[in-house]
Amino acid sequence: AQKITQTQPGMFVQEKEAVTLDCTYDTSDPSYGLFWYKQPSSGEMIFLIYQGSYDQQNATEGRYSLNFQKARKSANLVISASQLGDSAMYFCAMREGNQGYSTLTFGKGTMLLVSP
Amino acid sequence: DAGITQSPRHKVTETGTPVTLRCHQTENHRYMYWYRQDPGHGLRLIHYSYGVKDTDKGEVSDGYSVSRSKTEDFLLTLESATSSQTSVYFCAISLTSGSVTDTQYFGPGTRLTVL
Repeated sequence: AQKITQTQPGMFVQEKEAVTLDCTYDTSDPSYGLFWYKQPSSGEMIFLIYQGSYDQQNATEGRYSLNFQKARKSANLVISASQLGDSAMYFCAMREGNQGYSTLTFGKGTMLLVSP
Repeated sequence: DAGITQSPRHKVTETGTPVTLRCHQTENHRYMYWYRQDPGHGLRLIHYSYGVKDTDKGEVSDGYSVSRSKTEDFLLTLESATSSQTSVYFCAISLTSGSVTDTQYFGPGTRLTVL
């Protein structure tokens, strides 16, 4: 079974509107971290936001927020007030365990296109 | 900026030739990683290192070897490149402990084409 599932291959949104990118995860470990990365057409991987499994509140970073629903095992990224520069590929990732060198597992990504 | 560089940034090589990709970091981070990115697969871990001379295999390690003789350099070697190893390769580092709370930061990537 996939550990990280991103069911939306592509999403479209108009500038200034909010958009939610879905991510569900699968783990039996009580300790884990969830991450979102952005990859613009230039190719670099840019860290956006992090949520820990024990965090009581949803993470926020500027226009990015993470809608963390632990019981449903979902960690959706919400981008408010979309901008043209938000057009990119977005990856959800999970890190399990707390044993010193746990590794990241990535989803397959969602392509977001922001139109004027 | 986590001070990560990768070299070369682009490489075209022929099947059967050896290839070494270099990841260099300037801030003495203990944990380093090599990923490959292919369409439809996201990023997949090849190998990682948790210290000088300490490395381990990731999800897709077949056909790859790594070495870390200095903290700042993590080398990925394709002993005999195949067309299936055409990909974009990313190096990443962890800033602190490598635990679940630790964010990985990525280098700019190397685009490798094996003809």
